[in-house]
Amino acid sequence: DAGITQSPRHKVTETGTPVTLRCHQTENHRYMYWYRQDPGHGLRLIHYSYGVKDTDKGEVSDGYSVSRSKTEDFLLTLESATSSQTSVYFCAISPGLAGGETQYFGPGTRLLVL
Amino acid sequence: GDSVTQMEGPVTLSEEAFLTINCTYTATGYPSLFWYVQYPGEGLQLLLKATKADDKGSNKGFEATYRKETTSFHLEKGSVQVSDSAVYFCALISTGTASKLTFGTGTRLQVTL
Repeated sequence: DAGITQSPRHKVTETGTPVTLRCHQTENHRYMYWYRQDPGHGLRLIHYSYGVKDTDKGEVSDGYSVSRSKTEDFLLTLESATSSQTSVYFCAISPGLAGGETQYFGPGTRLLVL
Repeated sequence: GDSVTQMEGPVTLSEEAFLTINCTYTATGYPSLFWYVQYPGEGLQLLLKATKADDKGSNKGFEATYRKETTSFHLEKGSVQVSDSAVYFCALISTGTASKLTFGTGTRLQVTL
């Protein structure tokens, strides 16, 4: 299994508070991604990174920001959490085209915004 | 833009039955195609993939063939087991998109004895 962890695994927070989720990898892969999973929508890309300090938006980026100051860590921040951001968040990593483009997923973080 | 359409679930089968989960896609160029599986309470795992037309991906008895003429990548298994109960996601990566996956909505499979 790819070395990828997420923290916390579960979190309950209140509307309006900031929340940061962490993704950590030990594979030295170039690409990292944040997805959210909601019933009826599959997984939707929030933000992704193609290198240290290089990030870009996905299809559902509003209300979220990311940072990648080291190859191994990719942080997702909900600047002011809303109930619509209650979801399961997955981090994924990929070596990119040179590695067959396969993405490897973390175990997920279940977030409840009250 | 890119999109993936999967058959609606849930799919309920008896053990040893034949499984087909339909998947069709819309994409420019020549995407790579994937099936991921998610077991209860876990993250997604790659099940199989195909990177060019007429390629067949296979793993754990599951197979899918990349059909460019019908833009399809249907998942099949000849004899399902209770342990195959999970949610199955079809996905694609288009050329030059930083390896970003576009997912279908997932199909839940329930296998009973």
